[in-house]
Amino acid sequence: GAVVSQHPSWVICKSGTSVKIECRSLDFQATTMFWYRQFPKQSLMLMATSNEGSKATYEQGVEKDKFLINHASLTLSTLTVTSAHPEDSSFYICSARAGRTYEQYFGPGTRLTVT
Amino acid sequence: QKEVEQNSGPLSVPEGAIASLNCTYSDRGSQSFFWYRQYSGKSPELIMFIYSNGDKEDGRFTAQLNKASQYVSLLIRDSQPSDSATYLCALEPQAGTALIFGKGTTLSVSS
Repeated sequence: GAVVSQHPSWVICKSGTSVKIECRSLDFQATTMFWYRQFPKQSLMLMATSNEGSKATYEQGVEKDKFLINHASLTLSTLTVTSAHPEDSSFYICSARAGRTYEQYFGPGTRLTVT
Repeated sequence: QKEVEQNSGPLSVPEGAIASLNCTYSDRGSQSFFWYRQYSGKSPELIMFIYSNGDKEDGRFTAQLNKASQYVSLLIRDSQPSDSATYLCALEPQAGTALIFGKGTTLSVSS
């Protein structure tokens, strides 16, 4: 089956610093990647939709200048959390879709803790 | 606002019993529905998807969809302790768009 990887799997950073999270589709070309965020005991909330070669589409309430998304190739999308604050601590999960198929393939997630 | 509603649980069943998980949704135009299982601290994993009214079976799992009632369910037969997890219901508003998730139902299967 299709595999999506994320790196790092967990990261601790200090308040005010920036963190980059990578999402890679390992054995397929992902025309679309999605970034979700999940707080404890909450569901996955879509942050943005990223199409290769174009600007990401952000959901209402998500600051595009704070959460920078780059989808430079068909196998890689990155999410950079700029000037991170403790309230940004969350579980960040990406998913990738190869064309308009039914299934999204989820990455293993990245646990971000901002101290 | 497209919404997916699930009872948060916990739903507790003994080993070997049938677990029934339910989900309702607000967007009548949604076409595809998904059930994911999520273990604590892990990413969701797809159990099955359904897009036609009726039942769809895959091993111990059966998904049921009733578009008229805007209702989708997941039955787990012969529940095992390893089935203990949070089950997320999700829908795809339009083909190719991001999924909208419910808050999930926590299932606990006791041995």
